[in-house]
Amino acid sequence: HSVLTQPPSASGTPGQRVTISCSGSSSNIGSNTVNWYQQLPGTAPKLLIYTNNQRPSGVPDRFSGSKSGTSASLAISGLQSEDEADYYCAAWDDSLNGPVFGGGTDLTVL
Amino acid sequence: EVQLVQSGAEVKKPGESLRISCKGSGYSFATYWISWVRQLPGKGLEWMGRIDPSDSHTNYSPSFQGHVTISADKSITTAYLQWSSLKASDTAMYYCARRNDGTFDYWGRGTLVTVSS
Repeated sequence: HSVLTQPPSASGTPGQRVTISCSGSSSNIGSNTVNWYQQLPGTAPKLLIYTNNQRPSGVPDRFSGSKSGTSASLAISGLQSEDEADYYCAAWDDSLNGPVFGGGTDLTVL
Repeated sequence: EVQLVQSGAEVKKPGESLRISCKGSGYSFATYWISWVRQLPGKGLEWMGRIDPSDSHTNYSPSFQGHVTISADKSITTAYLQWSSLKASDTAMYYCARRNDGTFDYWGRGTLVTVSS
């Protein structure tokens, strides 16, 4: 099982706002920043959010991230059909001395 | 333009050896660590380990230590992931990714490894 815990699935209708949670511990999210990756079907993961809430160039501002304590969240507003993808949270883990991922959340746009 | 170009899909038999590659271009290859990430069919992402191309120093996840070897040749800006004896359970997609300031900012397209008798 994954070190970081995410809901396996989430869904929403076009235009809606959805959030995806990511729960960790003091050795990872509690002491390090969180990144989010988007994996469209059949493609490689892509960096979506870094350092908790920063968007790389080209990522729409519909995507936002936040972190509090040992948990983090990804929010997607104005949901679009092209947002259907798997979303993964990740953080450095001081005990592992390496990055850890969440199990991924499969987002469906109804 | 930063690119990580991975070698093509492989079909191997159990017990065979394999080395897959990841060639970096468009940036100073020796400056950024390269990690390998496994994705089992229909499953999530797992960090396997990383290498500093400048001196070939490596770190492995405990889950993969001893099962794979990560190496690099900075003269040809290429990182490698290799197995000495494949198992059916190694069937997966393998991604290389560049580590930059705490993120994986660029990813290869992945190499599908299928191990079947």
